[in-house]
Amino acid sequence: DTGVSQDPRHKITKRGQNVTFRCDPISEHNRLYWYRQTLGQGPEFLTYFQNEAQLEKSRLLSDRFSAERPKGSFSTLEIQRTEQGDSAMYLCASSDSLATDEQFFGPGTRLTVL
Amino acid sequence: GQQLNQSPQSMFIQEGEDVSMNCTSSSIFNTWLWYKQDPGEGPVLLIALYKAGELTSNGRLTAQFGITRKDSFLNISASIPSDVGIYFCAGLNYGGSQGNLIFGKGTKLSVKP
Repeated sequence: DTGVSQDPRHKITKRGQNVTFRCDPISEHNRLYWYRQTLGQGPEFLTYFQNEAQLEKSRLLSDRFSAERPKGSFSTLEIQRTEQGDSAMYLCASSDSLATDEQFFGPGTRLTVL
Repeated sequence: GQQLNQSPQSMFIQEGEDVSMNCTSSSIFNTWLWYKQDPGEGPVLLIALYKAGELTSNGRLTAQFGITRKDSFLNISASIPSDVGIYFCAGLNYGGSQGNLIFGKGTKLSVKP
């Protein structure tokens, strides 16, 4: 399967703990995006990378959130000191340089903060 | 900020029926995308639209980019049970951001009891 993959698919954590999610984009896609989706809503943009450069961050991305894409391939999203309001589906998407508007999503990581 | 209004919020379909849904915005978009999402999964790209007035089909799905660039619609012809799910429109405005897809809240398609 050459689609976007995310790991883990589900994460349950206690408030105050740190969590890290991983995203592997479609091979050779140079753009990678992170979104957050809560129940009954559409995905909301968090940040995106072109190769290893983080080019944009949403104001939703508080200082407890950090994303990296060190080698321009996979990416990680870390949430420090999780809060109950962080509970959501975290989605990763990727696109290639020829059709950057067409973002292909992974299956998501469902985070539950107790 | 930019917002997309999708309607209807939900609808019930009977197999074989045609389905229409639309998306409107107060702002202009350069690209419109339509996605389908099943429970517990990520959105799957159905159709991408790049030009005002453009009409594009993907099997039983047809979508149009409104000429004002502030709206789009999606039609599903001869619906089948696997069409059930949540359909999202998403827009991209190059002037605001090159990465930031703005999503609507979705139209939930269910099967009539």
